[in-house]
Amino acid sequence: DAKTTQPTSMDCAEGRAANLPCNHSTISGNEYVYWYRQIHSQGPQYIIHGLKNNETNEMASLIITEDRKSSTLILPHATLRDTAVYYCIVRVEAAGNKLTFGGGTRVLVKP
Amino acid sequence: NAGVTQTPKFQVLKTGQSMTLQCAQDMNHNSMYWYRQDPGMGLRLIYYSASEGTTDKGEVPNGYNVSRLNKREFSLRLESAAPSQTSVYFCASTPGQKNIQYFGAGTRLSVL
Repeated sequence: DAKTTQPTSMDCAEGRAANLPCNHSTISGNEYVYWYRQIHSQGPQYIIHGLKNNETNEMASLIITEDRKSSTLILPHATLRDTAVYYCIVRVEAAGNKLTFGGGTRVLVKP
Repeated sequence: NAGVTQTPKFQVLKTGQSMTLQCAQDMNHNSMYWYRQDPGMGLRLIYYSASEGTTDKGEVPNGYNVSRLNKREFSLRLESAAPSQTSVYFCASTPGQKNIQYFGAGTRLSVL
């Protein structure tokens, strides 16, 4: 699996966009980028994933660089409920796949 | 549609006691997983089941056993609980090829 590097923590102002970077310079051609988050005391929650094109859903946008060595998760209008640890995971698609949740980025949304 | 249901939500054990953590999903998912999360740490995979009838060790399997009872249920057993097993345990399931895992609310276990 490709290793990912994320900042340990970041703050964001409520109502502003939160841009969460992830480095995955050793990503291989068939590996997807997945983002999950974990709100305090809850189970992790899937946010979004992509292979090489930018993706958007109701929760967030995912921007993947052309060389696929890094990506950015964008929360367009952060709310206090977005305070959580955000995990960037790189993995191939396969049945019964194991995901490795590293340290993630601890995001604090401030009023 | 309940998703992934874990029972119990909280449990306190004495060292040496045994217990089984239950997990059930109603989404007809093929793969199921057990993780543990210690305070301030990321999730670590204990065991997983790629499909009904199969189980495999994850990163930290020692001290645990699992049973994939049927497609819906995947249980985690602690035969002789130790204080080092004090943690929050999460069960997850995924439909198949895609790595979109759905997690339960967790079981908070304390071993005294």
